[in-house]
Amino acid sequence: GNSVTQMEGPVTLSEEAFLTINCTYTATGYPSLFWYVQYPGEGLQLLLKATKADDKGSNKGFEATYRKETTSFHLEKGSVQVSDSAVYFCALTPRRTGNQFYFGTGTSLTVIP
Amino acid sequence: GAVVSQHPSWVICKSGTSVKIECRSLDFQATTMFWYRQFPKQSLMLMATSNEGSKATYEQGVEKDKFLINHASLTLSTLTVTSAHPEDSSFYICSATQGDSYNEQFFGPGTRLTVL
Repeated sequence: GNSVTQMEGPVTLSEEAFLTINCTYTATGYPSLFWYVQYPGEGLQLLLKATKADDKGSNKGFEATYRKETTSFHLEKGSVQVSDSAVYFCALTPRRTGNQFYFGTGTSLTVIP
Repeated sequence: GAVVSQHPSWVICKSGTSVKIECRSLDFQATTMFWYRQFPKQSLMLMATSNEGSKATYEQGVEKDKFLINHASLTLSTLTVTSAHPEDSSFYICSATQGDSYNEQFFGPGTRLTVL
């Protein structure tokens, strides 16, 4: 089946620290992988995506590389800011079986000044 | 970019009443819309998938008579929580896609339902 496992939080970092949020997946076929971000009281926004192996998605200083060999899509940022405080969701959609998305449980990040 | 709106953003109702939540794609035609439920500090749980003009496909364990979904046009889907009870209190989020299966989903801002 299809599932996403991501690192449990909450994560608290000081401003300018390095961030890694781990995400691994199980999927049939060749899924597309996503990171979504949810700021307090808001819906989800797409942060970045990758649609095939070895693709690197990047946006706003965040990066994630689609690793088929390790079935992973870890999110990284070299220097976090207070404004990055949010909940981050890893997700996949299996390309051959329709639009359904499978989400991880979310990782709450708090960045302190 | 693609924008999805939800209305209302927050609703409080009495137990036993029904509540309708609207989800609209503002600047694109949504081939498929999804309804999710999110409990505090938890992930999104897919409730149902709806395609315009056809019946919604509900996930296992979701009562279709309790959560009525209507997808009357390519820009509007509605979720009606019938005979709401306190345990239905939650954050309901819709999303929409354009086109093929691996396009991203565009999410609405969510509707917080509180049933007294």
